[in-house]
Amino acid sequence: NAGVTQTPKFQVLKTGQSMTLQCAQDMNHNSMYWYRQDPGMGLRLIYYSASEGTTDKGEVPNGYNVSRLNKREFSLRLESAAPSQTSVYFCASSPHDRGFTINSPLHFGNGTRLTVT
Amino acid sequence: SQQGEEDPQALSIQEGENATMNCSYKTSINNLQWYRQNSGRGLVHLILIRSNEREKHSGRLRVTLDTSKKSSSLLITASRAADTASYFCATDSRKFYFGSGTKLNVKP
Repeated sequence: NAGVTQTPKFQVLKTGQSMTLQCAQDMNHNSMYWYRQDPGMGLRLIYYSASEGTTDKGEVPNGYNVSRLNKREFSLRLESAAPSQTSVYFCASSPHDRGFTINSPLHFGNGTRLTVT
Repeated sequence: SQQGEEDPQALSIQEGENATMNCSYKTSINNLQWYRQNSGRGLVHLILIRSNEREKHSGRLRVTLDTSKKSSSLLITASRAADTASYFCATDSRKFYFGSGTKLNVKP
């Protein structure tokens, strides 16, 4: 039981390049999330998906796109990377359904460390 | 803006001492959760407390919730060097917001 798996673990991009961060969970969870973590800023929500086929914006969605490919996989795409997107990116999942209240814990991957030069 | 904000930002104690971290939030909640993050790793869930609960225990962890003050505290008793980590509170909403964390250093 791997939990939440993120690939790659590290990535260096040049400004303007594109890439996709992959996330997969094997816990049959309904909801999946993408966060970024910057020093002193805590975690900020980029996008989330409450169920397969649905996505919604979080606090900082600009410059990113997401795809909920199926129930297991939720990818984050940077179309044209900028230095401001240098960060650690975390994917998380939760069993909760479309209800407003999240009453169960989030399970996190170990992150992707992205540097944009 | 983020819902949960932890205080203090950093805390350094000796092994065996107790560590207390606080979290304040802005709007009404149904539950509040605490997470731990070891350096270079993802967040790990510690404990969830519902709005109708005032106190909850899990091993050496004690969490309190005061909905009238919109605040929560996390107490780690008899701290160990392995408790060195960052601790985050998160309040429930559809989008699940986190605070910026308390960095705890437990010196052996």
